[in-house]
Amino acid sequence: DIQMTQSPSTLSASVGDRVTITCRASQSISSWLAWYQQKPGKAPKLLISKASNLESGVPSRFSGSGSGTEFTLTISSLQPDDFASYYCQQYSSFPMYTFGQGTNLEIK
Amino acid sequence: QVKLVQSGAEVKKPGSSVKVSCKASGGTFSSYVISWVRQAPGQGLEWMGGIIPMFGTPNYAQKFQGRVTITADESTSTVYMALSSLRSEDTAVYYCARGEQWGPQNYWGQGTLVTVSS
Repeated sequence: DIQMTQSPSTLSASVGDRVTITCRASQSISSWLAWYQQKPGKAPKLLISKASNLESGVPSRFSGSGSGTEFTLTISSLQPDDFASYYCQQYSSFPMYTFGQGTNLEIK
Repeated sequence: QVKLVQSGAEVKKPGSSVKVSCKASGGTFSSYVISWVRQAPGQGLEWMGGIIPMFGTPNYAQKFQGRVTITADESTSTVYMALSSLRSEDTAVYYCARGEQWGPQNYWGQGTLVTVSS
């Protein structure tokens, strides 16, 4: 099975900061990686697919990069609405999927 | 517009089973992947399994093999997830979610809380 490891688990930042979350795969997954945002009590929301493709309606301050085994999600200038949990997910082994353990982005 | 509506919250005894439904509306049903993802309190997302209704053969995460059964009813555009031999660690919110083949999940249900308690 492909394992996904996210870091950090918790990230404290301020409005306006640039933040980066990293996701590593236990083997190459090409660009078959998605990023989700989840707020408390809500279902996850897809932000990015294919490692760097921004979903419709997602603000351009979000960006994704990487391929193979190392990936990043960057928020260029944090807004109050961005404080949430973020998860990466691999779908290289479709129809099997694996999530990373998540990153909790909190206000400093 | 695509909508996934799940059945309501359940309270179950340890050792029993639960069956959660997910009814899809808007858009084609049969050719998309319907996955089940759970989230224990304060924990992360865990993919349990999925099915493409037009093919009918489910796929399960190894962790849940033997305990989970996912089925689809094309006539009602509904997917079901049954989990047996429930234990307290199965207390979680269970989500269904839809995605394209070879794609992530871009539509999600509202979640169903399953509580396992004696």
